[in-house]
Amino acid sequence: GAVVSQHPSWVICKSGTSVKIECRSLDFQATTMFWYRQFPKQSLMLMATSNEGSKATYEQGVEKDKFLINHASLTLSTLTVTSAHPEDSSFYICSARDLTSGKEQFFGPGTRLTVL
Amino acid sequence: GDSVTQMEGPVTLSEEAFLTINCTYTATGYPSLFWYVQYPGEGLQLLLKATKADDKGSNKGFEATYRKETTSFHLEKGSVQVSDSAVYFCALSKGLTGGGNKLTFGTGTQLKVEL
Repeated sequence: GAVVSQHPSWVICKSGTSVKIECRSLDFQATTMFWYRQFPKQSLMLMATSNEGSKATYEQGVEKDKFLINHASLTLSTLTVTSAHPEDSSFYICSARDLTSGKEQFFGPGTRLTVL
Repeated sequence: GDSVTQMEGPVTLSEEAFLTINCTYTATGYPSLFWYVQYPGEGLQLLLKATKADDKGSNKGFEATYRKETTSFHLEKGSVQVSDSAVYFCALSKGLTGGGNKLTFGTGTQLKVEL
């Protein structure tokens, strides 16, 4: 149990286009989902916390208009990178908190974004 | 701010060797400490945790003890297997004890175990 999926697993796009990444909790309901970004040989950096039905809370330095987060249901959150540029190329990871346990975060496998 | 420092990898060991991956932290208050493991192509999984000083977390033969005096949470295993090859992340959290609150991660240490 407690499986989190992400789609796509990798994506290549042209500069200036927008890319949507989905994060789904497959077998549990997630009131809260987290979005992380990871650069090579660096730690995961929390970008934002997403609560179902409300606006996401962004970490300092993360552009809200650049990284749009929607948590429309208890099993789905999306991250849209708008007008992507090469510096947005990174590994994006989501996690979800199990409603029943209320504590542990379960992580998705990540999405590799490359912006040309 | 809070931070986690862990040893750089990759760490390459022979099967049945003893493993230590160092982790130290900087934080105010009393954080909870975690080790996560990421196998190739999979998401991070919670390996073990400790929520207060002197607690020992253990799972699958891995152990780590919360040492407040040295602000450390080193991961150890007495005899590694090829199947332990993965990336290991040390992390801390303040607030909820189960990692449900914001997590601060180290950079990860890749472990390779060879026959």
